[in-house]
Amino acid sequence: EAGVAQSPRYKIIEKRQSVAFWCNPISGHATLYWYQQILGQGPKLLIQFQNNGVVDDSQLPKDRFSAERLKGVDSTLKIQPAKLEDSAVYLCASSLRIFGTDTQYFGPGTRLTVL
Amino acid sequence: QQQVKQSPQSLIVQKGGISIINCAYENTAFDYFPWYQQFPGKGPALLIAIRPDVSEKKEGRFTISFNKSAKQFSLHIMDSQPGDSATYFCAASMNSGGSNYKLTFGKGTLLTVNP
Repeated sequence: EAGVAQSPRYKIIEKRQSVAFWCNPISGHATLYWYQQILGQGPKLLIQFQNNGVVDDSQLPKDRFSAERLKGVDSTLKIQPAKLEDSAVYLCASSLRIFGTDTQYFGPGTRLTVL
Repeated sequence: QQQVKQSPQSLIVQKGGISIINCAYENTAFDYFPWYQQFPGKGPALLIAIRPDVSEKKEGRFTISFNKSAKQFSLHIMDSQPGDSATYFCAASMNSGGSNYKLTFGKGTLLTVNP
């Protein structure tokens, strides 16, 4: 079974530029998550989708971050404009269902450096 | 507000020794406590998890001990091996907003097992 795919793996941009990350979850997984992992910290949930609908985006900085999952499968996360403090690893995860006890499977992440 | 506090930040043990990582939580609504293992350049992967209705769960060399009254739980790695060297995250989730569960992670413990 293929895991969660993410691209690109690394991205370096200047502040105020825009950037987009792509995620393809495990086939059949209804729930998709985007996390931000700052160096030395645990992952922080940014947004959670159930199929193509947003379930929770309470910690998403909506003035600069946006995410979509148009067909209920793959998803994109965009930052525009980027700030220095956005430097982090952006992790995508998926689970079969929405329940907390369902295992979340993480992709390898995209390491973003904002200069 | 840090809802899950993890210690120590880093840990060095000798091969064959016991590694112990501790976590404490504040919110009594948490009802699922997983541990994730993360190797460099990889996303976190579920290692073992426990519900608050049991005090201990063992899977191979990995054991979770859970103290509901103290709101603490810990991961014990018996016979630690160099291949166990990784960052370990405790996490907690609760039912919030209908059937939506959200994982809150600790800050992580970098475990190094010397040969």
